[in-house]
Amino acid sequence: SQTIHQWPATLVQPVGSPLSLECTVEGTSNPNLYWYRQAAGRGLQLLFYSVGIGQISSEVPQNLSASRPQDRQFILSSKKLLLSDSGFYLCAWVSGGAADTQYFGPGTRLTVL
Amino acid sequence: GENVEQHPSTLSVQEGDSAVIKCTYSDSASNYFPWYKQELGKRPQLIIDIRSNVGEKKDQRIAVTLNKTAKHFSLHITETQPEDSAVYFCAASHWTGGQNFVFGPGTRLSVLP
Repeated sequence: SQTIHQWPATLVQPVGSPLSLECTVEGTSNPNLYWYRQAAGRGLQLLFYSVGIGQISSEVPQNLSASRPQDRQFILSSKKLLLSDSGFYLCAWVSGGAADTQYFGPGTRLTVL
Repeated sequence: GENVEQHPSTLSVQEGDSAVIKCTYSDSASNYFPWYKQELGKRPQLIIDIRSNVGEKKDQRIAVTLNKTAKHFSLHITETQPEDSAVYFCAASHWTGGQNFVFGPGTRLSVLP
């Protein structure tokens, strides 16, 4: 069966510090991978998606970046965090091929102080 | 690009009553429409989905209907229970070299005992 992992589960960081969030998927190959951010009480904002290794599409220009160094690994990074980066970061995946069902990881709750 | 609207933003019903949430989409190329339930502090969980070749789908107390001509789809929950209280998100999706999802802003459902 397929599973998706995210870490860390929670993170408190000062403004201006760097960020690295990791997402890994098991039990599938060549998945589409996604990073979403959810501000408190708000909807899902798509940040990045990837259809393969090294292929990243950015939906919202900002101080975040994403990388996909391996087929089932997706990393979200920042060099300098802003207060507005606080939120619930969700990784999601869709199986490779013609599949269309999207599943979410457990999320990382980031607080920037 | 695709735009998804969702109504109402909040909904309160008495336990045992029915709840209906409606979404509209703009891109006629969208062909997959999932619904997610998100409890406080948790990840969105897929509860039901429908594809464009089907007009209605039912799973126990939950049903979804799709009107492709009018570009709208609805979630119906019957015999509501307190554990149905959550935020519900609809989404519209289609393939553009990767599976792209656009989410509605969410509906906060409260089931009153």
